[in-house]
Order: sequence, then C-alpha cells, then structure tokens
Amino acid sequence: GQQLNQSPQSMFIQEGEDVSMNCTSSSIFNTWLWYKQDPGEGPVLLIALYKAGELTSNGRLTAQFGITRKDSFLNISASIPSDVGIYFCAGQLAGDDKIIFGKGTRLHILP
Amino acid sequence: GAVVSQHPSWVICKSGTSVKIECRSLDFQATTMFWYRQFPKQSLMLMATSNEGSKATYEQGVEKDKFLINHASLTLSTLTVTSAHPEDSSFYICSGLDSPYGYTFGSGTRLTVV
Repeated sequence: GQQLNQSPQSMFIQEGEDVSMNCTSSSIFNTWLWYKQDPGEGPVLLIALYKAGELTSNGRLTAQFGITRKDSFLNISASIPSDVGIYFCAGQLAGDDKIIFGKGTRLHILP
Repeated sequence: GAVVSQHPSWVICKSGTSVKIECRSLDFQATTMFWYRQFPKQSLMLMATSNEGSKATYEQGVEKDKFLINHASLTLSTLTVTSAHPEDSSFYICSGLDSPYGYTFGSGTRLTVV
C-alpha cells in the first residue's frame, strides 16, 4: 500500500531549540496535514496544506507543501515543554477521501 | 470548530464478547467516517471508510465480519468489535470528514480484551 516515510523517528532537544521533521513519499498528494497526538488522545490538526509550494504558519509552527507534491516538512521554533508529543504527517491522495499517516516523530524535550 | 465525540474512552471486555464504539459528529454532518486502529508506539492504520447509508469499505487485511461498521446517519457511526480477542486490544480512533472543516478526529477508545 501507500507509504509515507516520516523522519526522524524521535528527537531529543533542549528547550528553546528549533525542530524540523519531514515526510516523503513516492506518491503525489493533494493535501498534506500535520497532527500532534498526546498520550491517550486523538490527533489534533496543526496545519493543513492544499497547494504545492504552500508555506503556512500556525504560531511557532511552519509547514510547507513540497513543490513535487511528494513531500512536506514541519518546523517548530523555540520549543517549549508543551511541544512534547508525537507529530504525524498525513497525506490525501488525488481522487481519494482517505488520508494515510506517517509513522510519527516523537519529540522529547530535555530539562 | 468541528467536534467528534467518541465513546467510550476506554473499555475492558472479556475474550469472546463484543464491544461497540460510537462516534458522533456534534456540530457538523460527517458524510464520511474513517476508523483507525493504533497499536502502542505505532501510527494510525486505516481500517475502513464508511459513507452514510452505504456499506463500509474495508482496507486490505481487515476482517469485515469482525469489525462491523454502521453509519446510519450523518452524525453517528459505530464500530463493533465482535468476538473480541486479546490481539484486538488497541486504541481505536474515528475521524469524520466534512468540508470546510476537513478531518476531525475523536478522542479515541482504548480497548483491552482480557
């Protein structure tokens, strides 16, 4: 089936550092979505991207829809303790309602 | 914004029994509902897609007789895990689709089969 390759799998950073994670695929996507999931909860949408090349910010978060439509990245600037969690990319293929998820990036912030 | 209410948030059941999980879209009409399963430290895996009033479409490898999905109205979809076994223990999450909100996820149901 379709796969999204998300990296890194996990990150250990100091508070205040910037974070970058990305997703790539061999398939072309119409939509890229970035979610955060806290333990025992459903994913919460952070940023949605609908056009190739689109760069969108949500507070300290910035995400871009790759020009080739096969990749996307998410940056978090000046990380704070509440940024800890798992971040998932998700993509919607052309002509399909369903979205598929990357394997997630687990963000840890060192005290 | 859109809200999907998912119940129960957790359930423990005996092996061989059935469990029903409900998802309700509270302030929008979910024409399509997606059901995911998530094992510990893994990603969300799509199990099935259901459209209101029609049969669900299951992903490859998902047993339709074991995971019964009903989407009888635009605001309610249910997933019934029939004859549950310990290997069915997982975190089940629904997601409703409606423009302009896009995809809205429920808060998940932790199923433990003992």
